[in-house]
Amino acid sequence: AQKITQTQPGMFVQEKEAVTLDCTYDTSDQSYGLFWYKQPSSGEMIFLIYQGSYDEQNATEGRYSLNFQKARKSANLVISASQLGDSAMYFCAMREGGSGNTGKLIFGQGTTLQVKP
Amino acid sequence: DVKVTQSSRYLVKRTGEKVFLECVQDMDHENMFWYRQDPGLGLRLIYFSYDVKMKEKGDIPEGYSVSREKKERFSLILESASTNQTSMYLCASSFRGRQSPLHFGNGTRLTVT
Repeated sequence: AQKITQTQPGMFVQEKEAVTLDCTYDTSDQSYGLFWYKQPSSGEMIFLIYQGSYDEQNATEGRYSLNFQKARKSANLVISASQLGDSAMYFCAMREGGSGNTGKLIFGQGTTLQVKP
Repeated sequence: DVKVTQSSRYLVKRTGEKVFLECVQDMDHENMFWYRQDPGLGLRLIYFSYDVKMKEKGDIPEGYSVSREKKERFSLILESASTNQTSMYLCASSFRGRQSPLHFGNGTRLTVT
């Protein structure tokens, strides 16, 4: 069963504007973690931000913030003040608490973001 | 700085060949992973290992095996390569713990002809 869903295959945003990338997840665990990664055209996977299921506040890292809505099982990434260098593929991922020591991460299909000058 | 190194960036093999993809990390991470990435499918987990000599199947283990004889090294083996195994292969590692992010290598683009 699909556990992480990213419904936007591609997105465009104007430089300096904010953009939201959607991610919904499915789990029966109470304890889990959510991650966002960026993959530029060079191919490397860059870790951006983490949100724990018990965290009461939305995570923020510089221009990245995570809009975490637990009841709706969504963990959308918000990028403020977009830059040309933000053009990349973005992946949402989840680690369930039942993974225990294994730390297995399940990824979504990804969203390609293009920032227009 | 954190480093995960995959032995080859590009690899071309023939159908039926046995293929070894090597991955080494220098961060003393307990967990290591092999994913494959295909357009429209995201990253799919092939195998992972949470300790030396320990391994568990991921979502798509068929046609693959792994070896972890040392903590820093995790090898992916394609027993008899097939064209449907043409893909980008990503190795990753992490500490144990729910909050620990995965650190990825640069990937190996494998083409099986």
